[in-house]
Amino acid sequence: KNEVEQSPQNLTAQEGEFITINCSYSVGISALHWLQQHPGGGIVSLFMLSSGKKKHGRLIATINIQEKHSSLHITASHPRDSAVYICAVRSYNTDKLIFGTGTRLQVFP
Amino acid sequence: EADIYQTPRYLVIGTGKKITLECSQTMGHDKMYWYQQDPGMELHLIHYSYGVNSTEKGDLSSESTVSRIRTEHFPLTLESARPSHTSQYLCASSEWGDNSPLHFGNGTRLTVT
Repeated sequence: KNEVEQSPQNLTAQEGEFITINCSYSVGISALHWLQQHPGGGIVSLFMLSSGKKKHGRLIATINIQEKHSSLHITASHPRDSAVYICAVRSYNTDKLIFGTGTRLQVFP
Repeated sequence: EADIYQTPRYLVIGTGKKITLECSQTMGHDKMYWYQQDPGMELHLIHYSYGVNSTEKGDLSSESTVSRIRTEHFPLTLESARPSHTSQYLCASSEWGDNSPLHFGNGTRLTVT
């Protein structure tokens, strides 16, 4: 079992839909990252969380430390949101990042 | 606008050749990382550095080597490329501290024929 699990693996949506991507982890962490990877391969850091909730534009990220779970929400989805969304946790013990396999999102007009 | 740069963007090379993938950042970050990513798979840490003259191997065994002679520069070298090295290589950097975000380069997509 991977230490970081994301669901779903693939997600398709119509433009305007509300989207939720989930991330569960099994190790003690000091921080959790949500990353966006476009087809060209480059990765952009969206959020870094250690507690609570953060919002940036149409994106919202939440984390529940007790339940070892985080969610990434996209409101009013748009085709340009199509990308792979990656959850990564920084292990409290090793200080290294552990990555999920990503959620591939396609938003159709 | 990227503050961390990787070159080349794409590289196709024959077996046995020596190659160096370049990574430079202009943010003065001490921490730098090399990740390897196969298509549809998660990123795996192959090397990292916490400052000049500091380099460590990551979790994924790799035949590559790295150097950190200057803060801004963290090149990765394969002495003898093999088809099994075909992958995407991503460089990243961050400041110290648990709350420091990661900055990624655009990656180098390597194909060894």
